Amino acid sequence: DAGVTQSPTHLIKTRGQQVTLRCSPKSGHDTVSWYQQALGQGPQFIFQYYEEEERQRGNFPDRFSGHQFPNYSSELNVNALLLGDSALYLCASSFQERWTFFGEGSRLTVL
Amino acid sequence: AQSVTQLDSQVPVFEEAPVELRCNYSSSVSVYLFWYVQYPNQGLQLLLKYLSGSTLVESINGFEAEFNKSQTSFHLRKPSVHISDTAEYFCAVSEVGGSNYKLTFGKGTLLTVNP
Repeated sequence: DAGVTQSPTHLIKTRGQQVTLRCSPKSGHDTVSWYQQALGQGPQFIFQYYEEEERQRGNFPDRFSGHQFPNYSSELNVNALLLGDSALYLCASSFQERWTFFGEGSRLTVL
Repeated sequence: AQSVTQLDSQVPVFEEAPVELRCNYSSSVSVYLFWYVQYPNQGLQLLLKYLSGSTLVESINGFEAEFNKSQTSFHLRKPSVHISDTAEYFCAVSEVGGSNYKLTFGKGTLLTVNP
């Protein structure tokens, strides 16, 4: 049983560019959440998708947007990249259970 | 809203020594409690969770945590650590009865086990 898979694992962008990160949830899971983990910090909640709709959003600007597809996979898009967007982006999936499974993350470096 | 405080950013210990990683939380509603572990260059792995019932929960690799409602704490302990326990440990909470599974994390505690 594949767990949560994310792509790409690493990427480098320059300021002002746009990036798309992808996530496939654990089999059977229908809820996908995205977290940003800056260096030396705990993960911060960006938003959560359920039934292809954004269900909850953390304190992140509109430059951060997302999408969930009918197969429950998800994308995170970040526009107009800033140096401060450099971080590990974690995707997490869940289904009714009160715990969450995380992927290995996508490490974004903005130069 | 919830918040989580991990009182120690770094904890160095010697192999086979006991360890306690401290976690306190603040919330206006009841919460579920979790400990996650992150090895270098990896994602988060669930270590253990408290949902209800017995306040002492255990993991398969010898860690345990005790939920103390009066002190709003969920400290993680292990009686004898191994080199392989070296990792970053995150305490997290989520709201009971909420329609989502949003996790609020602490800043993490880096456990370094030395030979």
